Amino acid sequence: RKEVEQDPGPFNVPEGATVAFNCTYSNSASQSFFWYRQDCRKEPKLLMSVYSSGNEDGRFTAQLNRASQYISLLIRDSKLSDSATYLCQEGNNAGNMLTFGGGTRLMVKP
Amino acid sequence: EPEVTQTPSHQVTQMGQEVILRCVPISNHLYFYWYRQILGQKVEFLVSFYNNEISEKSEIFDDQFSVERPDGSNFTLKIRSTKLEDSAMYFCASSVGQGVSPLHFGNGTRLTVT
Repeated sequence: RKEVEQDPGPFNVPEGATVAFNCTYSNSASQSFFWYRQDCRKEPKLLMSVYSSGNEDGRFTAQLNRASQYISLLIRDSKLSDSATYLCQEGNNAGNMLTFGGGTRLMVKP
Repeated sequence: EPEVTQTPSHQVTQMGQEVILRCVPISNHLYFYWYRQILGQKVEFLVSFYNNEISEKSEIFDDQFSVERPDGSNFTLKIRSTKLEDSAMYFCASSVGQGVSPLHFGNGTRLTVT
């Protein structure tokens, strides 16, 4: 069974802090990874794709470590509006059972 | 920006009844999905659909469930003989490519079985 694991948190951080989450995956054939943001009782929304060596978008940086089979999400200068649950998802072109991790809850406090 | 739309936003039904949840995926997307999220729990894969047939399904997607693309735009999830434990948020999603493209989700249908 293919698993995607995340620390559920919550991560409680003050505004302006830097916070990082990891997501481990067990399927070595996974080729693509994504981070989504989910607000309470809302749908997941794509935050970032992580295809190979990672990427950066403003305050957000995503990294992939294939050797240890995990991806990470770094948020710099946290804002109150960053408070949400962050979901990672793995995918590969061998199948369509796209699996989500359980999510990591972030709470940014003033 | 094109989006996935789902109707209804909230459905209340009695145990044992059948419900149909409707979705209109993004028009140029080829892969369609249904996910379920029980309150406070993780987003769980139910089924993926491509070229008018199921391409993969999870162990949750048993004979109680079925999917259909009745026309060129709608993608439906039918739940027969609903149970209390079917109460959840049901998300439809679509993607351009198989497995390596991100998912675009609809706003979800909250199903409450009483």
